[in-house]
Amino acid sequence: GENVEQHPSTLSVQEGDSAVIKCTYSDSASNYFPWYKQELGKRPQLIIDIRSNVGEKKDQRIAVTLNKTAKHFSLHITETQPEDSAVYFCAADSGTYKYIFGTGTRLKVLA
Amino acid sequence: GAVVSQHPSWVICKSGTSVKIECRSLDFQATTMFWYRQFPKQSLMLMATSNEGSKATYEQGVEKDKFLINHASLTLSTLTVTSAHPEDSSFYICSANDSLDGYTFGSGTRLTVV
Repeated sequence: GENVEQHPSTLSVQEGDSAVIKCTYSDSASNYFPWYKQELGKRPQLIIDIRSNVGEKKDQRIAVTLNKTAKHFSLHITETQPEDSAVYFCAADSGTYKYIFGTGTRLKVLA
Repeated sequence: GAVVSQHPSWVICKSGTSVKIECRSLDFQATTMFWYRQFPKQSLMLMATSNEGSKATYEQGVEKDKFLINHASLTLSTLTVTSAHPEDSSFYICSANDSLDGYTFGSGTRLTVV
């Protein structure tokens, strides 16, 4: 089955700097890769996603890149703000709408 | 957008008792729902896939008799934690897929077994 690894587990950046979170997956059949942001005690919220037929996708300060050959994908947040502080999870699909999540990255943006 | 409602948001129960958690898709029909478990500061672990009108599919290592799942209608799936013990204390969260909005999570249920 699918296995998703995520790094780093914690990340602290100064406000305004960029943050990069990386994930690798094992199942070459996976073709959908969402990223979720979870604030303490709340439900995960989808922030961006990418499909395997696309190498990069951007939405304002957030971008995701996918290297299908190497089986890794990354989340890039530019011009970070304190409200970006949260736990971020990557995921890969493993069957129809069945997702396997990465271990999470706790991002702290320092003002 | 699609809304998935989950109840209760938190529950405290005594060891040995059972607790039922409901997951409802409010404005769409979901033939498949998913149940996840999340320990503090850890990732979401898929427990099972809930299939409307048929048996749930459990992930490896998840006890079927411990975590009973019922998906009796296209808008409701329930997870019952039977004979709960303190180690079952966790954050349980469901999700469902809407064809328009994709994957939507419920608000989660924090279970504390004392």
